[in-house]
Amino acid sequence: GDSVTQMEGPVTLSEEAFLTINCTYTATGYPSLFWYVQYPGEGLQLLLKATKADDKGSNKGFEATYRKETTSFHLEKGSVQVSDSAVYFCALSKGDDKIIFGKGTRLHILP
Amino acid sequence: DTAVSQTPKYLVTQMGNDKSIKCEQNLGHDTMYWYKQDSKKFLKIMFSYNNKELIINETVPNRFSPKSPDKAHLNLHINSLELGDSAVYFCASSLAGITNTEAFFGQGTRLTVV
Repeated sequence: GDSVTQMEGPVTLSEEAFLTINCTYTATGYPSLFWYVQYPGEGLQLLLKATKADDKGSNKGFEATYRKETTSFHLEKGSVQVSDSAVYFCALSKGDDKIIFGKGTRLHILP
Repeated sequence: DTAVSQTPKYLVTQMGNDKSIKCEQNLGHDTMYWYKQDSKKFLKIMFSYNNKELIINETVPNRFSPKSPDKAHLNLHINSLELGDSAVYFCASSLAGITNTEAFFGQGTRLTVV
């Protein structure tokens, strides 16, 4: 079945460091890909999305490119801040009433 | 206005009790979900409803019974609560059948069974 695999955390970085969180997927058809973020004590919020191959989603300095050839959607940010500390989820959807999430990656940013 | 609201935010109860969690969305979405998040933050879909009809039931024990009185509401009733039911439960909604739509999540209900 369809699935999403993302790197295990926690990931700990210093402020202003470069961030990469890896995400790969397995799916039939043409899924849309998403990154969601969960701040402490809150629900998930959409961070960015890409709906077709080679699309780049971006928001708040984060970027991810839909790579069909490598079935990947890695999340990157050039300079992280303490306020980016959260749990990040990669997800896919094929419009079949099911959104599949990866296991989440906890990110800690040290001042 | 909160897009997806669920109540209560915290719920502490004893084993064997029956409890309900309510969810409402004001986005006009057709599809609503319940997800369970365990202590390791792993999100697992439990149910998906489209226009009040059950679409997905991911091998959830039948002690869990979702009820959708209308397409804006999806409540979760849990019978005979067990220690292993302790988790955070998230309600979400999205537009049905559209691939590129995002899901909107509620704030979560932290259920603790003692």
